[in-house]
Amino acid sequence: TQLLEQSPQFLSIQEGENLTVYCNSSSVFSSLQWYRQEPGEGPVLLVTVVTGGEVKKLKRLTFQFGDARKDSSLHITAAQPGDTGLYLCAGCSGAGEIIFGKGTRLHILP
Amino acid sequence: NAGVTQTPKFQVLKTGQSMTLQCAQDMNHEYMSWYRQDPGMGLRLIHYSVGAGITDQGEVPNGYNVSRSTTEDFPLRLLSAAPSQTSVYFCASTMGQVNTEAFFGQGTRLTVV
Repeated sequence: TQLLEQSPQFLSIQEGENLTVYCNSSSVFSSLQWYRQEPGEGPVLLVTVVTGGEVKKLKRLTFQFGDARKDSSLHITAAQPGDTGLYLCAGCSGAGEIIFGKGTRLHILP
Repeated sequence: NAGVTQTPKFQVLKTGQSMTLQCAQDMNHEYMSWYRQDPGMGLRLIHYSVGAGITDQGEVPNGYNVSRSTTEDFPLRLLSAAPSQTSVYFCASTMGQVNTEAFFGQGTRLTVV
């Protein structure tokens, strides 16, 4: 069974601070994805990283895929209250399965 | 496009009752999946399908059945509901097999009493 471990599980920081969320696995995935979920809604894709060492930026969010394609990180610069939500990493096995981590619940205090 | 549509949004069942959670997508996606989301557990894969007529088990398949008679529909059946199946259920679809975005429905909140 492929597992994705996310850390931290919970994070509460002040507006304007920087933060990093990690997603680690002992398995190699064909790609890793990051989703954001709002209360009462389904997850929505933020980014897909495919190539080992790849870095993608989405405004204040920076996503990195590890060289060995087993881990990924999400860095948020100058966090804002609108960034509050549940962040989920997901690994694509290449056989149709998408496996999710347990998520990081982020709360940005104004 | 409606995307992925799940019905019902809320449901309360008594232990032992059966029901079917409906999921339909209008994006002509081949791949569809069912997940359950419990507090602190993230999304756990129940069953998935790589095309009409093909289904496979995920991480937590026990107590659930699925079928995929058409590309559009992927219903999830609970044959005899148990309190442990109280959860929020999400259906998702993806266009391709690898590295493609999963589109989710809005979820079904199921309570088994």
